[in-house]
Amino acid sequence: GAVVSQHPSWVICKSGTSVKIECRSLDFQATTMFWYRQFPKQSLMLMATSNEGSKATYEQGVEKDKFLINHASLTLSTLTVTSAHPEDSSFYICSTPPSRSGSAYNEQFFGPGTRLTVL
Amino acid sequence: AQTVTQSQPEMSVQEAETVTLSCTYDTSESDYYLFWYKQPPSRQMILVIRQEAYKQQNATENRFSVNFQKAAKSFSLKISDSQLGDAAMYFCAYLPNFGNEKLTFGTGTRLTIIP
Repeated sequence: GAVVSQHPSWVICKSGTSVKIECRSLDFQATTMFWYRQFPKQSLMLMATSNEGSKATYEQGVEKDKFLINHASLTLSTLTVTSAHPEDSSFYICSTPPSRSGSAYNEQFFGPGTRLTVL
Repeated sequence: AQTVTQSQPEMSVQEAETVTLSCTYDTSESDYYLFWYKQPPSRQMILVIRQEAYKQQNATENRFSVNFQKAAKSFSLKISDSQLGDAAMYFCAYLPNFGNEKLTFGTGTRLTIIP
């Protein structure tokens, strides 16, 4: 199956700094990536959808200026947390969207996630 | 809007025994997909099983099976012969078949396996 990687797997930063998280599709081209946020012991919440060659679309309540998403190529999507604060500490996961071929469904593949800790 | 509810925040089961995790959902659609995802301590999301709503037959994957009750909008996961490696968070998820391709996740059930 498709492989999605994320880098870094864990990052600690000081409050006020910016952090970039990379999401790469290793063996396929992805025109779209989903970005999720997961607080401890909670479910995944979709933050935004990155689109290669166009602007990202954000879910309601997600600050566009805080979470900058760029889909630089067909294999790379990035999430930059700008001016990070302790409340931004969370687990961030990217994934491919599900795809369909006729009536068949193709699996959605998740990256391994990035744990962000803001001091 | 679709909602997915998992009413059991935590469950535990003796190793080798059987456990059932509950999930209910709300939708006005007739055609959709339902999933169970596993998130072990590594936090990598792993697809456990998938059910197409138009299929009456319950999906099965080795020790994992579902009880899909479309009219009741219920989608439970049964794990047979529980193993230590089954310990994880389990998320139920809903995906409409057309249009919006975004999964709606439930709140999760943490499963503990007792040796």
